[in-house]
Amino acid sequence: DAGITQSPRYKITETGRQVTLMCHQTWSHSYMFWYRQDLGHGLRLIYYSAAADITDKGEVPDGYVVSRSKTENFPLTLESATRSQTSVYFCASRQGFYNSPLHFGNGTRLTVT
Amino acid sequence: QKEVEQNSGPLSVPEGAIASLNCTYSDRGSQSFFWYRQYSGKSPELIMSIYSNGDKEDGRFTAQLNKASQYVSLLIRDSQPSDSATYLCAVNIRDYKLSFGAGTTVTVRA
Repeated sequence: DAGITQSPRYKITETGRQVTLMCHQTWSHSYMFWYRQDLGHGLRLIYYSAAADITDKGEVPDGYVVSRSKTENFPLTLESATRSQTSVYFCASRQGFYNSPLHFGNGTRLTVT
Repeated sequence: QKEVEQNSGPLSVPEGAIASLNCTYSDRGSQSFFWYRQYSGKSPELIMSIYSNGDKEDGRFTAQLNKASQYVSLLIRDSQPSDSATYLCAVNIRDYKLSFGAGTTVTVRA
C-alpha cells in the first residue's frame, strides 16, 4: 500500500546500544523528516532531508545520525542510546513546495533502559 | 520566543458547542499553516491547511488566518465526543520545515 511506514512500532533497548529506526515512503516525496514527541515539548525536529544524499540538522540532532541513500528510505540511528532518548519518534514526508502538508508514519515508541 | 505557540489548554467543551483553538507564530515570512489532530497513541493527521488571510471552512472546521497579527485559529463547530484529541498547529518556517506548537488537548463532554 502507498504511504509511509515505520518500523519497528515498539523497541526496548539498553543504554549504550546502537539502534536504528526505519522509515519508508512510497510517494516519492522529496522531503523527509524525523521528529520526536515528548510530553511538555511537543514535536521537535531531529533531522530532515531534501533529497537523496542531502540531510540537515533540526533543533535536537545530538546523539542521532541519518542517511538517505535512496529517496524512499530515511533511517534514523541512535549511535549510543541514552535514557533521555526515550520518546515516540515520527517519520514524515512532504512534497517540495511550501503548501504541501506533512504526512506522518505511525510512529516508533522507543524505550531506553 | 518559541516559533509556534498555542493556548495550552486543556480545553473542555460540552457536546454541540464551539471549540476555539489559537496559535501564534514568530516568523513573519511564514506562508503556510496547518492544523493536525492527534488521538492518544496515534500519529498526527492533517485536518486543515490555510495559506491566505481570512477564513477557510471544511465541514465543521473553520481555520482563520491573520498574517498581520501572526495569528491562526481553528474553530470546531457542533463539537462531538469524537473530536476529543490534541490539536497541533504547524507553521512552515523555512526550507520546507514545519514547526509545531505544543498542542491543545480538547475534551468534548457528552
